[in-house]
Amino acid sequence: ETAVFQTPNYHVTQVGNEVSFNCKQTLGHDTMYWYKQDSKKLLKIMFSYNNKQLIVNETVPRRFSPQSSDKAHLNLRIKSVEPEDSAVYLCASSPGTGRDTQYFGPGTRLLVL
Amino acid sequence: AQKVTQTQTSISVMEKTTVTMDCVYETRDSSYFLFWYKQTASGEIVFLIRQDSYKKENATEGHYSLNFQKPKSSIGLIITATQIEDSAVYFCAMRDMDSNYQLIWGSGTKLIIKP
Repeated sequence: ETAVFQTPNYHVTQVGNEVSFNCKQTLGHDTMYWYKQDSKKLLKIMFSYNNKQLIVNETVPRRFSPQSSDKAHLNLRIKSVEPEDSAVYLCASSPGTGRDTQYFGPGTRLLVL
Repeated sequence: AQKVTQTQTSISVMEKTTVTMDCVYETRDSSYFLFWYKQTASGEIVFLIRQDSYKKENATEGHYSLNFQKPKSSIGLIITATQIEDSAVYFCAMRDMDSNYQLIWGSGTKLIIKP
């Protein structure tokens, strides 16, 4: 049963455009994450938020920024997309950190032309 | 630096057999957590099983079990009585204090179950 929702499922855009992806979790979790999965299936953490505070910020390009209105929502904005941004972006949530299991959304596939 | 390595890129086995997927990790922490996740063909990532480093007993969950060999920094996933629907990519991941509790992921092993 899906409890982490992502929109859109798929997005095609041109280089230089701005895109925004949405994520909502209905699990009541305190921590949310954004991952990037490349064509080789490698998963890399981009951001994580705990109670609306950024707790992990990987060295991702500045054109990426997380946006959160409350602990159930964590959006991802890309200011000016580049071809290497083509990937699947996965949102996840967990009750806290440490041993807690992460629950993933279905992902948003981005294609930059 | 923390690292998780899965050397098997792809494994193919017959249905109803047992398969083991390897994973080795590097950490300086004495306390850490090891996870296995599965990504289906649809892209869905699902948690399977977890091993806490301080526990000596191997974790089990349904037809999944772990072979935790702490001195070797190894955490193998064992799937017994495999089914077609077990075909997926399996990821090993680790979480420790040094990584600020972010998950460090392996590169994944693709499992193909043949009928």
